[in-house]
Amino acid sequence: AQTVTQSQPEMSVQEAETVTLSCTYDTSENNYYLFWYKQPPSRQMILVIRQEAYKQQNATENRFSVNFQKAAKSFSLKISDSQLGDTAMYFCAFMNGDQGAQKLVFGQGTRLTINP
Amino acid sequence: EAGVTQFPSHSVIEKGQTVTLRCDPISGHDNLYWYRRVMGKEIKFLLHFVKESKQDESGMPNNRFLAERTGGTYSTLKVQPAELEDSGVYFCASSPIGEADTQYFGPGTRLTVL
Repeated sequence: AQTVTQSQPEMSVQEAETVTLSCTYDTSENNYYLFWYKQPPSRQMILVIRQEAYKQQNATENRFSVNFQKAAKSFSLKISDSQLGDTAMYFCAFMNGDQGAQKLVFGQGTRLTINP
Repeated sequence: EAGVTQFPSHSVIEKGQTVTLRCDPISGHDNLYWYRRVMGKEIKFLLHFVKESKQDESGMPNNRFLAERTGGTYSTLKVQPAELEDSGVYFCASSPIGEADTQYFGPGTRLTVL
């Protein structure tokens, strides 16, 4: 069974700083997807960024980028120039690439606070 | 376009009572998923519908949980009878066919069992 581990329950940085959230996973599959989801306080969870395991290039979405290390099974999220609106719970998630297995496996989450 | 909606947003019931949670997916999304987060733990998959059929119900914890999706539109998740350990946040997500890697989540229903 796949597992996802986020070792940082909470993090706090100053506005405009860069922050990196850690995520490791365990799987024997070769074809899979990795995701970072964000859940702001009292709001619904939204997808921040996704990575296909077969792609070597790290995914980037504006100020959000990942460092995908497939051999090490590591998938960290870097937020550059952090903003107050980045304050949220961040969940790392895994999905098997087999179309018949569509469930997301989540980590425990990291509560990120951006301070003014 | 309306997102995934869930009702109620919060439910407080006593142990032994029945509660029904509802999820309305994004229009046209045939895939519908239920997840839950028990306090302090990770979000866990419960089950997956494709239209009205249960594709994967491997995450359902026990037979006190019953999910339905009659007509392939909205879905309900009934807990009967509720136990203390059922407290948590229940999330619904949906995605179009062939796009399971892009799941859109609802705001969740916070269930408190006293």
